[in-house]
Amino acid sequence: RKEVEQDPGPFNVPEGATVAFNCTYSNSASQSFFWYRQDCRKEPKLLMSVYSSGNEDGRFTAQLNRASQYISLLIRDSKLSDSATYLCVVNTGGFKTIFGAGTRLFVKA
Amino acid sequence: SQTIHQWPATLVQPVGSPLSLECTVEGTSNPNLYWYRQAAGRGLQLLFYSVGIGQISSEVPQNLSASRPQDRQFILSSKKLLLSDSGFYLCAWKPFNEKLFFGSGTQLSVL
Repeated sequence: RKEVEQDPGPFNVPEGATVAFNCTYSNSASQSFFWYRQDCRKEPKLLMSVYSSGNEDGRFTAQLNRASQYISLLIRDSKLSDSATYLCVVNTGGFKTIFGAGTRLFVKA
Repeated sequence: SQTIHQWPATLVQPVGSPLSLECTVEGTSNPNLYWYRQAAGRGLQLLFYSVGIGQISSEVPQNLSASRPQDRQFILSSKKLLLSDSGFYLCAWKPFNEKLFFGSGTQLSVL
C-alpha cells in the first residue's frame, strides 16, 4: 500500500463547477498535512496547509480527518487558471515528506 | 526571507556522462535539504535528504549520489548517467516538520 494515495484523475470540469479531491495516508503517526499545486514542468507550490478543524482560503477548503486518515480539498467556482495537478503531501515525522502521485484537473470554458 | 536556487534549468546529457546538479539556500541556517525526482507524468520520488553537513540519507538505491559540502549547499551527482535517470529534479528545503519549499527544478534529458 502506498503511503499517500490520491484519486487518480484526471478530473474534467466546466468553469464554475465545484470539484473535490480526496487523499488517504497510511501512517497514523503523520504529523502535518498540505496540498500543493503543480503546473506542467514547474515546481510544486504550497496551496494550503490542512488542519483537523478545517481551513478555507477563498474558493479552496481543506479538511483533515485523523480518525479515517483522510484529507480532502474542495474547489468552488472553478476557474480556467485552476487547471493543474494537485498534490497531497504528508509529513510522517520530522524529516520525511511524502507526496501523493497527484490528481490532474482540467477546467474547461 | 529564505530563497532556494537550483541550476541549471535544463540539461541534455549523453548516456554514460557524469552529472552534477547544485542547489543553494539563502536566508536560513542548518536547513533540512532534499532532492526529489519526478519522471514524466509521475509523482515526486524522494531521492536523498540531509539534516546537516556531510549527513546524507538515501531513500532509493540507484545510480545517483548526494553530498552536502556546506551548510546551505546540496549537490546531486552521478558518475555515469542512464537513460532511466531522465526526469525533473527538484531541490527543496524545510524547517523541521513544516512545509517544503522548492527550487525551480532541473529538467534532465539523457539521450
